[in-house]
Amino acid sequence: DAGVTQSPTHLIKTRGQHVTLRCSPISGHKSVSWYQQVLGQGPQFIFQYYEKEERGRGNFPDRFSARQFPNYSSELNVNALLLGDSALYLCASSLNFRGQETQYFGPGTRLLVL
Amino acid sequence: AQSVSQHNHHVILSEAASLELGCNYSYGGTVNLFWYVQYPGQHLQLLLKYFSGDPLVKGIKGFEAEFIKSKFSFNLRKPSVQWSDTAEYFCAVNAFTNNDMRFGAGTRLTVKP
Repeated sequence: DAGVTQSPTHLIKTRGQHVTLRCSPISGHKSVSWYQQVLGQGPQFIFQYYEKEERGRGNFPDRFSARQFPNYSSELNVNALLLGDSALYLCASSLNFRGQETQYFGPGTRLLVL
Repeated sequence: AQSVSQHNHHVILSEAASLELGCNYSYGGTVNLFWYVQYPGQHLQLLLKYFSGDPLVKGIKGFEAEFIKSKFSFNLRKPSVQWSDTAEYFCAVNAFTNNDMRFGAGTRLTVKP
C-alpha cells in the first residue's frame, strides 16, 4: 500500500509570494494533519482536518490555511511568504482525529523562501 | 496546552552501549505518548506508543519506553545500540480526545561503529 505522499518535494519561493502544498493520505484514512518542521526543531502542529472539517489549529498566523477534499487529500496554503516560513512541511494521515490513532507521516515538502 | 521537553540535544554512543533518552511532558489531562524516529534521508516513523495499560511499552527494533505518570515522563531505552540506530528521535504527546500532536525538539543520536 502507498504511504502518505506529498508534492512537490522541494520548492523555492520569494518573499511575498503564495505557495500551495499537497498531500494524499493513506487509502482509508480520513484525517490529515499538517506540521511545520524548522531545522533543528521538532514538528509544530499547524492544522488537522477530518471529513473536510477543521478539527484543530495550531498557533500559526492567518496567512496559513488549509482544506480537505472529498477524496481526503489536502492542501496547505501559505500567503505572503516570509523568510521564516522556510521549513519542511509534513503531512500526516490517520484513520480519524481521535488521540489514540497513530499518525503516519509523509516525506515532506521542503520550502525555501528567499 | 501540552508541551514536550527532550533534555538531550545530541547523544553520542559506541555500539553495544545502552541508551536512555529523556522525555518530559506538561499536560494536566489524559495523554497519549509516542516516540518517532527519523533516519537520515527518511521520513518520520513510529517507534512505539503508549495509550493505557502496562506503562512499559515495547516497540520496533528492540526499543522500549516507560511511562511514569508521577514524573510526567516517557523515557526511551535500548539495552544495546547499533550503528543503524543513528537517527533523530522525537517524543510526542497528544490529548486523549484529539491527535494534534506536540513534539519535543528531538535528540540526535550518533552511534559510532
